[in-house]
Amino acid sequence: DTGVSQDPRHKITKRGQNVTFRCDPISEHNRLYWYRQTLGQGPEFLTYFQNEAQLEKSRLLSDRFSAERPKGSFSTLEIQRTEQGDSAMYLCASSSTDGLQDSGANVLTFGAGSRLTVL
Amino acid sequence: AQKVTQAQTEISVVEKEDVTLDCVYETRDTTYYLFWYKQPPSGELVFLIRRNSFDEQNEISGRYSWNFQKSTSSFNFTITASQVVDSAVYFCALSEANNAGNMLTFGGGTRLMVKP
Repeated sequence: DTGVSQDPRHKITKRGQNVTFRCDPISEHNRLYWYRQTLGQGPEFLTYFQNEAQLEKSRLLSDRFSAERPKGSFSTLEIQRTEQGDSAMYLCASSSTDGLQDSGANVLTFGAGSRLTVL
Repeated sequence: AQKVTQAQTEISVVEKEDVTLDCVYETRDTTYYLFWYKQPPSGELVFLIRRNSFDEQNEISGRYSWNFQKSTSSFNFTITASQVVDSAVYFCALSEANNAGNMLTFGGGTRLMVKP
């Protein structure tokens, strides 16, 4: 297993265009997370899936953002009508809840991220 | 609401110096987990350690050590005899136990530069 893969690694787009990012988690992990990281800041939670169900969404996730995990494996994050404020690194992470009593103890494995620049 | 503060935005040391990265957290929960992650220039966050709120024992792993003090809500990270390869951004993070989604709250990070 090569870890969490994200594609593309870099995306430059013009304001108003739509973009889609893909994340392939570690195959045996049932949870998948999206975080956003702006320059000089720590990552901020956007949303997470348990298998194919999207169970939590942050207020940061405006209605221009949509995430899917159709078969409980890979996930996509789409941003419609991009704005300059969307420029950030979008990080995907996955984890397994097997054997855990406390989901708070979950250790997330992160991908290298997809960097979005909106001109 | 939970919050993590890393007051040091940037630290520069010379190789072989010891360096401590500070982390202060806020939470109303009595059961929670604290994490440290390393983000090298490649961008991928690498897990370093997880501690739960009931285990205040300090931990040492090679050149790395962690000091958890509930009385001051701190979880500091020390690198002994720093090396150039330690240069990265280090993040402290918090997760509350009853947080069903295991949403991590990260601090703003500390950029460590180790010069040869």
